[in-house]
Amino acid sequence: SQQGEEDPQALSIQEGENATMNCSYKTSINNLQWYRQNSGRGLVHLILIRSNEREKHSGRLRVTLDTSKKSSSLLITASRAADTASYFCATTTFTGANSKLTFGKGITLSVRP
Amino acid sequence: DGGITQSPKYLFRKEGQNVTLSCEQNLNHDAMYWYRQDPGQGLRLIYYSQIVNDFQKGDIAEGYSVSREKKESFPLTVTSAQKNPTAFYLCASSIGAGGIRRNEQFFGPGTRLTVL
Repeated sequence: SQQGEEDPQALSIQEGENATMNCSYKTSINNLQWYRQNSGRGLVHLILIRSNEREKHSGRLRVTLDTSKKSSSLLITASRAADTASYFCATTTFTGANSKLTFGKGITLSVRP
Repeated sequence: DGGITQSPKYLFRKEGQNVTLSCEQNLNHDAMYWYRQDPGQGLRLIYYSQIVNDFQKGDIAEGYSVSREKKESFPLTVTSAQKNPTAFYLCASSIGAGGIRRNEQFFGPGTRLTVL
């Protein structure tokens, strides 16, 4: 079952521009994470934001979380060609003593040099 | 790709054969996971293990089997019962999976399985 839904599915921008990617989810979450995947490679964890946090920064990344709207956004500032990759949001839900991380389908970002 | 290795990178299998994908981690993580990735489908959880000698089915476990005899190792067997096994398989690990507030996962480089 799909919990996180990213938007848009694909994004193409010029180097130096900002890239904004959105994620919406359906049920209450404990935290939301963003991952990056270069073509044919494994995923790399970028940033985690807890349900009681509204914004986090890491280098050129800014993540916001609006639990009332059940949505998150990932902003990459001053994009570079090397940022070209697929980006996934993943939500954590807890059921008793267990947690489950559910991934969205991903956003393909292309940064043109 | 952190301290997780997967082998082989590419694997070819004839229909009707079982095949085992290797996953090893040196991060001292308790939890390990197997995902399948198909184009346009994102990641789907096959099996996960929170501790040695224990594992649970994920969303698409049919046609797959796993074992967790050592903390560092979580091999996945794709059996002949899996009807459409051609896919990209990703192994991941995390510090823990139960009651942990930080549960980010570390991924291996993946194995691309093709059934001929």
